[in-house]
Parts: sequence; structure tokens; C-alpha cells
Amino acid sequence: SQTIHQWPATLVQPVGSPLSLECTVEGTSNPNLYWYRQAAGRGLQLLFYSVGIGQISSEVPQNLSASRPQDRQFILSSKKLLLSDSGFYLCAWSPRPGTASNTGELFFGEGSRLTVL
Amino acid sequence: LAKTTQPISMDSYEGQEVNITCSHNNIATNDYITWYQQFPSQGPRFIIQGYKTKVTNEVASLFIPADRKSSTLSLPRVSLSDTAVYYCLVGGLTGRRALTFGSGTRLQVQP
Repeated sequence: SQTIHQWPATLVQPVGSPLSLECTVEGTSNPNLYWYRQAAGRGLQLLFYSVGIGQISSEVPQNLSASRPQDRQFILSSKKLLLSDSGFYLCAWSPRPGTASNTGELFFGEGSRLTVL
Repeated sequence: LAKTTQPISMDSYEGQEVNITCSHNNIATNDYITWYQQFPSQGPRFIIQGYKTKVTNEVASLFIPADRKSSTLSLPRVSLSDTAVYYCLVGGLTGRRALTFGSGTRLQVQP
């Protein structure tokens, strides 16, 4: 069965410090990968998505970046955090479009709560 | 993007049936309707997906009228553990439109 893990679960960082959140998927290959952010009491905002190694699409201009160094690894980074970067970050995956297992369903990780002070 | 509109919040009591309606007036021919449930500090979880008429699974039913411009998620006999935020998404099985989450409906179930 497929699983998705992201870490760390909780992070408290000072303004201006770097950030690295990591997400890995197991039990599948060539997944589409996504990073979402959820501010307190708000809906989910799609930040980045990737259809393959090294292929990243950014949905919202910001000081965050994403990378996909391996097929099932997705990393969210920042060189200098802002207060507004605080939130709940969720990694998700979906089967590759066109495959028999693709129903469009998104599978989410446990989330990483980031507090920038 | 197929914009969706849901009530911001709903209240119910244990044992009641809850119906949450989502409006999606500009749904496209190839679009599916998918509902997710999210508990605090967790990622959303898929509940049900449909294209037309009625779909039922072990946790919910999804009613979609012929014009497909709205859909209703029906939760039978809710319990306290059904307190969560429910999101309606509209999009194809490919592409980015099915990745857009609105503000959702916050369901509060009272004892």
C-alpha cells in the first residue's frame, strides 16, 4: 500500500532563518506531488506541484521554493522565513494522470506546523 | 477554474442526517465532484466522488442533479466524530482544477 510521510511535524523558527520540509511517498512510482499551505482557520492554498523529477510548477509567488530530487521525494524550502510563512504545510500525492489508478484523489501527509517568530 | 460555493458553517446534533450543498455553476463536461473531510491538524481525507446522479459508499452519499451545477453531500446519522471541515472540489481527473480547495464548510455536531 502507498504511504506518505512528511517531517518535521512541528517547527518553530525565527524570522530570517532557513526552512526545509521534506516529504516522501512509498509504494508507488511516478506520482504527482503537491505542497499546500493552510493558514489558521483557512482553506488550503496550493503552493507547488510536480509531475516528475526536477519539474516544479509554482502557483503563488513567494519566498518559498520546492525541489524534487528523486521520484518520490519533495522538499519545500526557504532561504529566509517571514512571519507570514507561518502555517500548516501539507504534502500530498496523486497517481499519475492516465494511469488506471488515477481517480484524481489526493492523498495527504500528516502535515508540518510551522511557527515563525 | 470551476469555482465552488459552500456554506461557511453548519450545526447538527448526533443521530441527525446532515446535507451540505456545494454550488458549482460553471462545471465543465469532464469535471468530477469530489468531497474531502479535514480534522484539525490533519490533512484532508477523501470521502466520495461522483460525476452524475447518486453515489453512495460506506460513509456518505453524493447527490448530483441533472444539470450538475450543484451537489449535496449527505452524512447519515452523524456522530461527534463527524465534526470537521468538509471541502467540495470540482475538476477533471487531470490538470490543476481539481486541486483547488475553497474555504469549506465547518460542521459542528453537538451531543
